Amino acid sequence: DSGVTQTPKHLITATGQRVTLRCSPRSGDLSVYWYQQSLDQGLQFLIHYYNGEERAKGNILERFSAQQFPDLHSELNLSSLELGDSALYFCASSPGGATQETQYFGPGTRLLVL
Amino acid sequence: GEDVEQSLFLSVREGDSSVINCTYTDSSSTYLYWYKQEPGAGLQLLTYIFSNMDMKQDQRLTVLLNKKDKHLSLRIADTQTGDSAIYFCAESILDNAGNMLTFGGGTRLMVKP
Repeated sequence: DSGVTQTPKHLITATGQRVTLRCSPRSGDLSVYWYQQSLDQGLQFLIHYYNGEERAKGNILERFSAQQFPDLHSELNLSSLELGDSALYFCASSPGGATQETQYFGPGTRLLVL
Repeated sequence: GEDVEQSLFLSVREGDSSVINCTYTDSSSTYLYWYKQEPGAGLQLLTYIFSNMDMKQDQRLTVLLNKKDKHLSLRIADTQTGDSAIYFCAESILDNAGNMLTFGGGTRLMVKP
């Protein structure tokens, strides 16, 4: 158990809908990262937040957005969902964020868009 | 751009050693990681190596790093059926703003009894 929690574990929704994935980092960690794992794209970095502020963006679609709240939990919002958004979404956390720290991953949220 | 490559599949017999290889392209990587993913599960950090090291050993795991060739390997000694999983190598890229991991495509290790 990494100490990173993600909810929900599974999510099934329809195209065009909007969903919110939630992540709680390890106690004391200030950085949260989101990754998408899909069959065709593999594991891809989406976005990094540090202490409430966006730090880095990867291959994140404009239909997706994220935020990190004062209590340091983070939410990833996916809107206008398409079939191709079906994937496993991982959250990871690390103590800081400005240095190359080890990232600890949560169990993931499996999203299925029908 | 950054790219991390791994072979897709490796099959070994229980008790043998497994060697999973990885190549990366970003010479500015400072840390390189190995993660394990079991079916239906998340990513478990196995080990990491700092780029100024050549080797790191942790119980049954040995990581070798050849910086000149940008080649990383993970050796699992006395491989067990419980080691069957997908293994990902990842490099840590620190850009001006943040920290992100670039992953390889994963190597599926199958351990036969």
